[in-house]
Amino acid sequence: EVQLVESGGGLVKPGGSLRLSCAASGFTFSSYSMNWVRQAPGKGLEWVSSISSSSSYIYYADSVKGRFTISRDNAKNSLYLQMNSLRAEDTAVYYCARDRMTTVTTNWFDPWGQGTLVTVSS
Amino acid sequence: EIVLTQSPATLSLSPGERATLSCRASQSVSSYLAWYQQKPGQAPRLLIYDASNRATGIPARFSGSGSGTDFTLTISSLEPEDFAVYYCQQRSNFTFGPGTKVDIK
Repeated sequence: EVQLVESGGGLVKPGGSLRLSCAASGFTFSSYSMNWVRQAPGKGLEWVSSISSSSSYIYYADSVKGRFTISRDNAKNSLYLQMNSLRAEDTAVYYCARDRMTTVTTNWFDPWGQGTLVTVSS
Repeated sequence: EIVLTQSPATLSLSPGERATLSCRASQSVSSYLAWYQQKPGQAPRLLIYDASNRATGIPARFSGSGSGTDFTLTISSLEPEDFAVYYCQQRSNFTFGPGTKVDIK
């Protein structure tokens, strides 16, 4: 069974840092592009960042560029999101999501993890 | 930047009725559009990709159509588990639409 399990969320003060992790199982992690998508409380979905299978291609939303860093460790079947200079508007549930296909990056997200909540507040 | 708009914001229907949801792009996205379903407290789930292809395990009552700038998600006969929020997404810059909530009338 394909599984994505996020961890690392919590309460952090504005300006602080947090590192999210996503543990993958049930599929060949190293063959898929991976993504982070967030959802502020009561709001819609916002794509955050994507990384190709070999980390050759990395993309960020303008809202997080320069503050967040996506990375992966294919040996550990894990995806990461290092979040620095956090702001109140970064408060959200952060989901990791796999690309739908392995042979070509489709930018369709399937499946998703259950999410981890990040709260930025003083 | 391509912007997606969805209408209506809320759709109130009864089980068994047909639901028609719209997604419009600010410029052509060809057929590169997906639909996701999100139930309260759950992660989103991919329903439709490339405008009209059902994802694995998605019931046949869900169908997608359209190309260019105008797209439609149709649920032929609403089941109780279909009441949820539906988002469209385009893949060139990963953006999502604001969502349509389908609730029980």
